[in-house]
Amino acid sequence: EIVLTQSPTTMAASPGEKVTITCRASSSVSYMHWFQQKSGTSPKPWIYDTSKLASGVPDRFSGSGSGTSYSLTISSMEAEDAATYYCLQRSSYPLTFGSGTKLEIK
Amino acid sequence: EVKLLESGGGLVQPGGSMRLSCAASGFTFTDFYMNWIRQPAGKAPEWLGFIRNKANGYTTEYNPSVKGRFTISRDNTQNMLYLQMNTLRAEDTATYYCARGGMNYWGQGVMVTVSS
Repeated sequence: EIVLTQSPTTMAASPGEKVTITCRASSSVSYMHWFQQKSGTSPKPWIYDTSKLASGVPDRFSGSGSGTSYSLTISSMEAEDAATYYCLQRSSYPLTFGSGTKLEIK
Repeated sequence: EVKLLESGGGLVQPGGSMRLSCAASGFTFTDFYMNWIRQPAGKAPEWLGFIRNKANGYTTEYNPSVKGRFTISRDNTQNMLYLQMNTLRAEDTATYYCARGGMNYWGQGVMVTVSS
């Protein structure tokens, strides 16, 4: 099983601040996918195939990485970005999610 | 519009069984893999398994954590996805979601509580 380790576990960012969340895989994966989840709602697809933004995702978000190291970046934090973000790998069974990064607004 | 609606959750005793359903609409059901995912309160999602599409013979893959206890099936005439859960344990308590294909569409989830 590929274990995905996200960091940080929690963080707070000020409006306008640049934010980077990382996801490290225990073995190499072809792509990484990201989901955003707000309290009481289903996870929403956010970034797929490492760097492609899902429909409706603001372009202040970006994704990058390869092999065992991937990241989600927000160029300028906004209040609506406060949420928990999960990475997901679909390269190997079982599909696995990261443990999540809770992002709060300062 | 793609819609996924789970049902069938609730309270079940340890050792019991439960079947969850997911009603799909707004797309050609047989064209897509369908997943089940669960999420305990305050924790990360866990992929349980999927059933492939028509082109891939409706075969299944499971997470080893539930293989042998959980069974995924589909009724393509009714556009329904099912999750049969047997020998339930307290640690199976979670919100259960169905999701289409690459998980680009999710249902709203249904709560399952395993407790005496």
